[in-house]
Amino acid sequence: GENVGLHLPTLSVQEGDNSIINCAYSNSASDYFIWYKQESGKGPQFIIDIRSNMDKRQGQRVTVLLNKTVKHLSLQIAATQPGDSAVYFCAETIGNQFYFGTGTSLTVIP
Amino acid sequence: GAVVSQHPSRVICKSGTSVKIECRSLDFQATTMFWYRQFPKQSLMLMATSNEGSKATYEQGVEKDKFLINHASLTLSTLTVTSAHPEDSSFYICSAREWENYGYTFGSGTRLTVV
Repeated sequence: GENVGLHLPTLSVQEGDNSIINCAYSNSASDYFIWYKQESGKGPQFIIDIRSNMDKRQGQRVTVLLNKTVKHLSLQIAATQPGDSAVYFCAETIGNQFYFGTGTSLTVIP
Repeated sequence: GAVVSQHPSRVICKSGTSVKIECRSLDFQATTMFWYRQFPKQSLMLMATSNEGSKATYEQGVEKDKFLINHASLTLSTLTVTSAHPEDSSFYICSAREWENYGYTFGSGTRLTVV
C-alpha cells in the first residue's frame, strides 16, 4: 500500500479565519478524492469529495480544489470554528484501491 | 447515508488472549471492507482488505496468522487479534465500501489495550 506512518504536520488558525489544508497525491491515475475529518478517539468522517473530471467542489463552509497538473488537492474551510479542530486526511482512489495521505492536525485558537 | 458500526469501542485484554472486533455495514451491502491500524499522531495504516467470500489481502508486514480477518457476509467483517501482546495496543478502524459506489465509510474505531 501507499500508507505512511509519519507524524502529522500541524496547522494553527485563529477562530473566524479561513483554513487551507493541502495534500499532494501520488498517482496520476487516481479518479476520486475524498477529505476526511478525524476527531480524537473517533473514526474518520467524510467531509467532501471530488472526482477527477472536476477541479472544484463546494460544500457547506468547505471547498475542495483539485489540480491534476501538479497532483495537488486542497481543503478550504471558511470561518474556521473551534469544532473544526481535528486531523484532516485526504484520500485518493484508483479503482478499488484506496490510499490515505499523511494528514494535517488543525488547531483552532479561540 | 451509509453507516458502519464497529464494536467494541474499547477493549482491555490480558497478554496472550485473543480479541475479536466486529465491523458491520448497517444499511448497505459491503463487498469490500478494510482494516486499519492507527498509532497516536499518525495516519491510518492499511492492514488488510477483505472481500466477501474470499481470503483477505494483507499489506506487507502484517502477520496474517496474528490478525485474522473474516468477511463471511456482505454486512459483517471481523478482525481477531490472536495472542495479543502489549505492542498490539492501538486504535483499529474498519471501513466499508458499498457495491458500485465510490463512497468509503468508516467505523468509529476500537481502542485496544493489551496489559
